[in-house]
Amino acid sequence: RKEVEQDPGPFNVPEGATVAFNCTYSNSASQSFFWYRQDCRKEPKLLMSVYSSGNEDGRFTAQLNRASQYISLLIRDSKLSDSATYLCVVNRNTGKLIFGQGTTLQVKP
Amino acid sequence: DVKVTQSSRYLVKRTGEKVFLECVQDMDHENMFWYRQDPGLGLRLIYFSYDVKMKEKGDIPEGYSVSREKKERFSLILESASTNQTSMYLCASSQTISGNTIYFGEGSWLTVV
Repeated sequence: RKEVEQDPGPFNVPEGATVAFNCTYSNSASQSFFWYRQDCRKEPKLLMSVYSSGNEDGRFTAQLNRASQYISLLIRDSKLSDSATYLCVVNRNTGKLIFGQGTTLQVKP
Repeated sequence: DVKVTQSSRYLVKRTGEKVFLECVQDMDHENMFWYRQDPGLGLRLIYFSYDVKMKEKGDIPEGYSVSREKKERFSLILESASTNQTSMYLCASSQTISGNTIYFGEGSWLTVV
């Protein structure tokens, strides 16, 4: 079993839709959590950190459930420019960031 | 802005060749990383370094070595390239171990023939 698991998708949604991705992690010692965005043939870039109380950045909302060991990302009012792969990332504070496989989002006009 | 620069973007090498991938960061970060990314497998950590001349194995160190002689530079070495090392290689850096943002270079696409 992979330490960080994501549904690879693709998720195909129309513009304006709300879409949610989940990510599960297996190591309860995990301390820090992030969502990264990766465009095709580009490097990953930080989208947002995920805090225990949940956090929002514009149209993006991240949630953490430590008891169930999952992280979620909600995107409201999807734009064409949101089309990308979204990577769930877990840090055990050992210097090793563990990446999920990524979830691909395609937003259609 | 943090800049992580990978000098070689696209390389084609022959089986058995020695390959050097160079990475330089300009933010005085303590930690540097080498990942490879393959379809269906995601990013996998090869090696990381938390200080000059220090290195730690990641999840897939076999067939690779690294060198960190200066704080800003972290090199990945393929001693004898093989076709299964064809991949995209990503260098990254971060300020601390405990959860600060990790910044990636643009990637080096290596094809071994």
